[in-house]
Amino acid sequence: AQSVTQPDIHITVSEGASLELRCNYSYGATPYLFWYVQSPGQGLQLLLKYFSGDTLVQGIKGFEAEFKRSQSSFNLRKPSVHWSDAAEYFCAVGGYGGYNKLIFGAGTRLAVHP
Amino acid sequence: DADVTQTPRNRITKTGKRIMLECSQTKGHDRMYWYRQDPGLGLRLIYYSFDVKDINKGEISDGYSVSRQAQAKFSLSLESAIPNQTALYFCATSDSDKQAFFGQGTRLTVV
Repeated sequence: AQSVTQPDIHITVSEGASLELRCNYSYGATPYLFWYVQSPGQGLQLLLKYFSGDTLVQGIKGFEAEFKRSQSSFNLRKPSVHWSDAAEYFCAVGGYGGYNKLIFGAGTRLAVHP
Repeated sequence: DADVTQTPRNRITKTGKRIMLECSQTKGHDRMYWYRQDPGLGLRLIYYSFDVKDINKGEISDGYSVSRQAQAKFSLSLESAIPNQTALYFCATSDSDKQAFFGQGTRLTVV
């Protein structure tokens, strides 16, 4: 069965520090992979997506993610975190077939210290 | 105006009451979804629809029903609300590019 694991429930970093959020997936074939961000009181916004091709994908707000097939991972990174990055981050897999259904991880809540 | 609009944004209801959450979209997408978000569980799919004649159960459909009144409207109903249906509910749409667009959510509390 398809699944997504985000091992870190909460992460705290200092402003200006680098960030890596982990995501591992279970899927029978090469998946479509997504990272979404949810700011307090808001809906989910797409940060970036991977379908095929270059395994390092760039997204909005200075985020990037790298697809590693051998590790079934799609980790999200940012070289220098800003206080406004404090939010909850969701990794998702899916999009196959005509329905484009998504399976989400449990999320990682990011806190940023000044 | 938001592309995906959910109403109401917040709702408190009593156990046993029927409640409807509404979703409308201006993106022209065929595919619409209802997800439920619970702390520590991420988002889980309740129902999804390709068009007005196509309704499908998701991972956690028990206790819920939906209606696709038009391409742009997709409503979620709780026929008899129970406290463990207290959650944040999201409507979403997607297109052939597979990207999902989410509403701002409806926070439902069942007391």
